[in-house]
Amino acid sequence: GESVGLHLPTLSVQEGDNSIINCAYSNSASDYFIWYKQESGKGPQFIIDIRSNMDKRQGQRVTVLLNKTVKHLSLQIAATQPGDSAVYFCAERVAAGNKLTFGGGTRVLVKP
Amino acid sequence: NAGVMQNPRHLVRRRGQEARLRCSPMKGHSHVYWYRQLPEEGLKFMVYLQKENIIDESGMPKERFSAEFPKEGPSILRIQQVVRGDSAAYFCASSPQGSTGELFFGEGSRLTVL
Repeated sequence: GESVGLHLPTLSVQEGDNSIINCAYSNSASDYFIWYKQESGKGPQFIIDIRSNMDKRQGQRVTVLLNKTVKHLSLQIAATQPGDSAVYFCAERVAAGNKLTFGGGTRVLVKP
Repeated sequence: NAGVMQNPRHLVRRRGQEARLRCSPMKGHSHVYWYRQLPEEGLKFMVYLQKENIIDESGMPKERFSAEFPKEGPSILRIQQVVRGDSAAYFCASSPQGSTGELFFGEGSRLTVL
């Protein structure tokens, strides 16, 4: 079945450094990918998304890269700040349906 | 413009009782999705509804769980005869009709079964 595989590792990063979070997906029919940030006790918040006809998309301090050949998605956060500490989830959507399938998440801890 | 509203934010039930979780989508959104999240895990899809219709319930347990999104009022996720394994955070998300973009999430309802 479709799945987005992402263990729940913890990424510790020094404040000001760049962060890279990786995600593997398994469904080649997925045409839309999205990253969410979830702070403790809160709901997921949209960060950035990308469609399958693109390889890269940039936002404010964030960049998403999509490699369809190896079914890999990454989120890069530039100049990581304490407020970036959270769990980050990738999710995918198969063209035929509207539900998002989530990966397991990565916890980012920003050290001052 | 208020976001997705969920209530209650916290709910405690004893085994065998019923839990009802409510979700009001964002204004103008007609699609509602329910997800379940266990501690330190990702969000698992449960059900996708439009007004008065269940579109995809492939993630719903076959027994004790049901969901509705009536013509008027919020979407309801109902869990009958709760067991300890039902303890989780339940998130609702919404999107406008025809959207191929993001889902907008609420703050979740945290169910604890004693």
